[in-house]
Amino acid sequence: EDKVVQSPLSLVVHEGDTVTLNCSYEVTNFRSLLWYKQEKKAPTFLFMLTSSGIEKKSGRLSSILDKKELFSILNITATQTGDSAIYLCAVQRTGGTSYGKLTFGQGTILTVHP
Amino acid sequence: NAGVTQTPKFRVLKTGQSMTLLCAQDMNHEYMYWYRQDPGMGLRLIHYSVGEGTTAKGEVPDGYNVSRLKKQNFLLGLESAAPSQTSVYFCASSARGGRGGPQHFGDGTRLSIL
Repeated sequence: EDKVVQSPLSLVVHEGDTVTLNCSYEVTNFRSLLWYKQEKKAPTFLFMLTSSGIEKKSGRLSSILDKKELFSILNITATQTGDSAIYLCAVQRTGGTSYGKLTFGQGTILTVHP
Repeated sequence: NAGVTQTPKFRVLKTGQSMTLLCAQDMNHEYMYWYRQDPGMGLRLIHYSVGEGTTAKGEVPDGYNVSRLKKQNFLLGLESAAPSQTSVYFCASSARGGRGGPQHFGDGTRLSIL
């Protein structure tokens, strides 16, 4: 059974701080690891990391994948109150029978105070 | 540019009542999914569909049924609601399914069973 564990489960910081969110996984026939941001409603896609793309960056957000040690981190620099959200990590298998299923971690609740 | 639309947004039911949640996507995606999100447990897959007229069970299918009569719509039914089904339900769609890639989520339906 695929497994995804995120840490910490919650985090409170002040604006301007840098945060690191962790995601470790166990999955058969790994294809990709995805990060989502969930504010009040729909999870929105941030990054997808695969064997051919183990590092991604978009503005103040960046993520790396360590396939050997089976983990990923999501870094947010110079945090803003708008970064307050639940950050979800998910893994996806390869193979047609996987049907694209995502296995999610519990999520990390990030709160950024002014 | 609607993406994935879920109706209703909120609903309160009594134990034993039935209802149907509707998901509609306008991206011509083949793959559609229903998840439930509970505190501390991330998102868990209920049922999924790999194309019009097909459905299959996910991780937590008991107490739910689904139908995909049209490519753009995926319905989730509760035949006899139970308090354990109180949750937030998310629908998602994907263009590539088992070939990998992100899923796009709707805003969710918050369901309370009394």
